[in-house]
Amino acid sequence: ETGVTQTPRHLVMGMTNKKSLKCEQHLGHNAMYWYKQSAKKPLELMFVYSLEERVENNSVPSRFSPECPNSSHLFLHLHTLQPEDSALYLCASSQDRKEGYEQYFGPGTRLTVT
Amino acid sequence: AQSVTQLGSHVSVSEGALVLLRCNYSSSVPPYLFWYVQYPNQGLQLLLKYTTGATLVKGINGFEAEFKKSETSFHLTKPSAHMSDAAEYFCAVTGNTPLVFGKGTRLSVIA
Repeated sequence: ETGVTQTPRHLVMGMTNKKSLKCEQHLGHNAMYWYKQSAKKPLELMFVYSLEERVENNSVPSRFSPECPNSSHLFLHLHTLQPEDSALYLCASSQDRKEGYEQYFGPGTRLTVT
Repeated sequence: AQSVTQLGSHVSVSEGALVLLRCNYSSSVPPYLFWYVQYPNQGLQLLLKYTTGATLVKGINGFEAEFKKSETSFHLTKPSAHMSDAAEYFCAVTGNTPLVFGKGTRLSVIA
C-alpha cells in the first residue's frame, strides 16, 4: 500500500449504530487530519493530530470521536449519528502540521446515515 | 485568519481551449497557497503549491498558477483543456492556521 488509505470506502448505518472509520498513512508523516465533505459546502476540518496528540478540534459534535494510536493510524468512531452527518469523510496526512506542508488525502469514506 | 473565494462554482470549456479557474484569498500573514483536484469518488490530489520565491508555479498535468500579491489572487490556468481535466478543483490557503479551502469549482470539458 502507498499513500493514504481509508476503509471502508462506503458505509451505510442507522442512527443507533456504532461504527468506525479507519485511515492509514504510509508516508512517514507526523500529522493527520479528518475532514468532512458535504455537497455544496467547503471542506470542513474536524480534527488534527500531531505526533499522536490531538491539537485541534473544530467544535465537532461528541458523536464523532477520533483516535490516533500511533503516527500511522487514525480512526473516527461514530455513534448515534444524524442524517445530516451523511457525507464524504476524508483523511489526510502531512509531514508536519505547520503551514507550508501540503496534505496528502485518502480516497474517502462515503457515509450514509439512514 | 485566512479565507478563500473561488469565483464560479462551475466552469465549462471546449476541449483544447484555455482553462482559467479563479481564486482570491484573504490572509493576515504571508500566505501559502495550494490547488487541489478531486476526481469522482476520489480524494484530493495536489496540483501545485506556492510557498515563497517564484510567483509563477508549475504543477502536474500542465497546470500552472500565478501568485499576485497586489490582487490577492492565485488563479489556475492550463493552455489547452483535455477531457481528462474534468473534475472538481479546490484552492486552499494557510498562513498561521490549518488549510482553509474554497468551495470548489467544477470543470466540465466539452468535446
